[in-house]
Amino acid sequence: QQPVQSPQAVILREGEDAVINCSSSKALYSVHWYRQKHGEAPVFLMILLKGGEQKGHDKISASFNEKKQQSSLYLTASQLSYSGTYFCGTEINSNYQLIWGAGTKLIIKP
Amino acid sequence: NAGVTQTPKFQVLKTGQSMTLQCAQDMNHEYMSWYRQDPGMGLRLIHYSVGAGITDQGEVPNGYNVSRSTTEDFPLRLLSAAPSQTSVYFCASSTQGGEKLFFGSGTQLSVL
Repeated sequence: QQPVQSPQAVILREGEDAVINCSSSKALYSVHWYRQKHGEAPVFLMILLKGGEQKGHDKISASFNEKKQQSSLYLTASQLSYSGTYFCGTEINSNYQLIWGAGTKLIIKP
Repeated sequence: NAGVTQTPKFQVLKTGQSMTLQCAQDMNHEYMSWYRQDPGMGLRLIHYSVGAGITDQGEVPNGYNVSRSTTEDFPLRLLSAAPSQTSVYFCASSTQGGEKLFFGSGTQLSVL
């Protein structure tokens, strides 16, 4: 079953923070985050495993709440380059099949 | 390294025609997969492979065939194209299943 991403879209000013959520009705083994710019392929951001720690690099980090089956992606002090659509992919039982959310469109304005 | 190479970039088919989308990777990845992406939806897994000679169905396999005779290549065949198969198709690979995916640049397919 497709995970639910929220919000569907968000508009920010450069320097503002954003949180994107990904919720599943099923118990998850891992959550994968990707960013896709218009007309391009998705690009990997990070993977969070069940029982693993919060991850992050630069000003983008994420957490995985196993009790709620929810992952959140945090973008702090957003930059123009952060614009794009963010997708979460969820994996159940390490079965190599990712089920993807519908995406969150992020627009950063100067 | 070229990474993941998909051809063609654009294709227009008539209903009932067949064609093969090509995907090749030069990173010696064991895992390869095909996705379709439709407007307003995320990626949906069509077929995947965990190694040469091994393939399995994903979420939306109907109307598509795959084979994996070598580690490098993973072609996707549309047997009899239908308008419902109009979509953007992405091939992706990783060292093994569940790891970071490297995507090709995509194929925009229109079926009239």
